[in-house]
Amino acid sequence: GAVVSQHPSWVICKSGTSVKIECRSLDFQATTMFWYRQFPKQSLMLMATSNEGSKATYEQGVEKDKFLINHASLTLSTLTVTSAHPEDSSFYICSASPGGVGNQPQHFGDGTRLSIL
Amino acid sequence: AQSVSQHNHHVILSEAASLELGCNYSYGGTVNLFWYVQYPGQHLQLLLKYFSGDPLVKGIKGFEAEFIKSKFSFNLRKPSVQWSDTAEYFCAVSGYNKLIFGAGTRLAVHP
Repeated sequence: GAVVSQHPSWVICKSGTSVKIECRSLDFQATTMFWYRQFPKQSLMLMATSNEGSKATYEQGVEKDKFLINHASLTLSTLTVTSAHPEDSSFYICSASPGGVGNQPQHFGDGTRLSIL
Repeated sequence: AQSVSQHNHHVILSEAASLELGCNYSYGGTVNLFWYVQYPGQHLQLLLKYFSGDPLVKGIKGFEAEFIKSKFSFNLRKPSVQWSDTAEYFCAVSGYNKLIFGAGTRLAVHP
């Protein structure tokens, strides 16, 4: 149980295009989903907290207009990297929580490797 | 501000050796503490968690961790590692409904 599916797993695209990443909770409803970014050989950095039916809460330093988050249902959140550039290349990971104390524990997707040429 | 510090970035052990990975956190309120593991090519998985109660927490695959409040520590231990324990290990603390991760420790276990 508690499976989180992330799609696509790998995407390569040209600079200037927009890329959408999906995060789905397959067997539970997730009031809250989280989006992380992981640089090579570094830890996960929380980008934003996505709440179903409301605006996402972004961490300091994360551009809201650059990284658009939509959490339209209890099982789906999307992250759109708009007008992507090479510096946006990274590994993006989502997680979802069925709720509970402090929204823990979280269940993680497999991640999406984004490469911008 | 919350922060998590993992002391060892790389650890290399032989099979059957004992393991201890250090984790210290900085947070002023009530904390929930976690250890996650990421096996090569796989997603993050929860090893164990501490919310309250017994400070010695047992997790999956023979791992355990001890919460020492006075030292702000939550070290991960395993008495005898196996080759299959080769992975990256992340300590994390939650507060204000979000997780803060440490930098991770890469463990390589040689047969």
